[in-house]
Amino acid sequence: QQPVQSPQAVILREGEDAVINCSSSKALYSVHWYRQKHGEAPVFLMILLKGGEQKGHEKISASFNEKKQQSSLYLTASQLSYSGTYFCGTSFWGFSDYGGSQGNLIFGKGTKLSVKP
Amino acid sequence: ETGVTQTPRHLVMGMTNKKSLKCEQHLGHNAMYWYKQSAKKPLELMFVYSLEERVENNSVPSRFSPECPNSSHLFLHLHTLQPEDSALYLCASSQDSRGYGYTFGSGTRLTVV
Repeated sequence: QQPVQSPQAVILREGEDAVINCSSSKALYSVHWYRQKHGEAPVFLMILLKGGEQKGHEKISASFNEKKQQSSLYLTASQLSYSGTYFCGTSFWGFSDYGGSQGNLIFGKGTKLSVKP
Repeated sequence: ETGVTQTPRHLVMGMTNKKSLKCEQHLGHNAMYWYKQSAKKPLELMFVYSLEERVENNSVPSRFSPECPNSSHLFLHLHTLQPEDSALYLCASSQDSRGYGYTFGSGTRLTVV
């Protein structure tokens, strides 16, 4: 039930905007977004729970469309520090326990973002 | 320092060796995870521990054996590995696995020769 990310890679100039999409074939409970720089650990950006909310983090924001089973990450006025691989992680469980998995994340293949000066 | 510490950072082992990876967190989190990250593949969930009890074993070969002696420590014991097991092994923790972000360690880069 791996989520599908698009695009696979994107190259930007500083100051440009980008959108990264994450879609699932299964109903989602939550979507997480992480950024991983080369040789480093993935870093948590934000989490969106079902309910169609939108969140923001500096110039990075995300939306979650429960009906379409997808989330989008918006990067505005990109900076060099935004370069890295962005992963979405999805979980499919609600607050009630299902006697086993408790909402463990399944990650997409990632989107490599390169911001050039 | 991310709050989750993994040792060693790099490990080279032969196929007949036995080694262990260690993960430590002092964030007060209740859930800990092992993920495998191979080149050009997504992060693959291997094991999940919640309150020191294993709640997930994602069809991982028995040559990988996890151990969680307390809520702060997680081990991955390795024996008779194959070259295709070479990868970056990431440990992560979260408050619990329902609606909280994960904190990842820097990983152990494993090479099986």
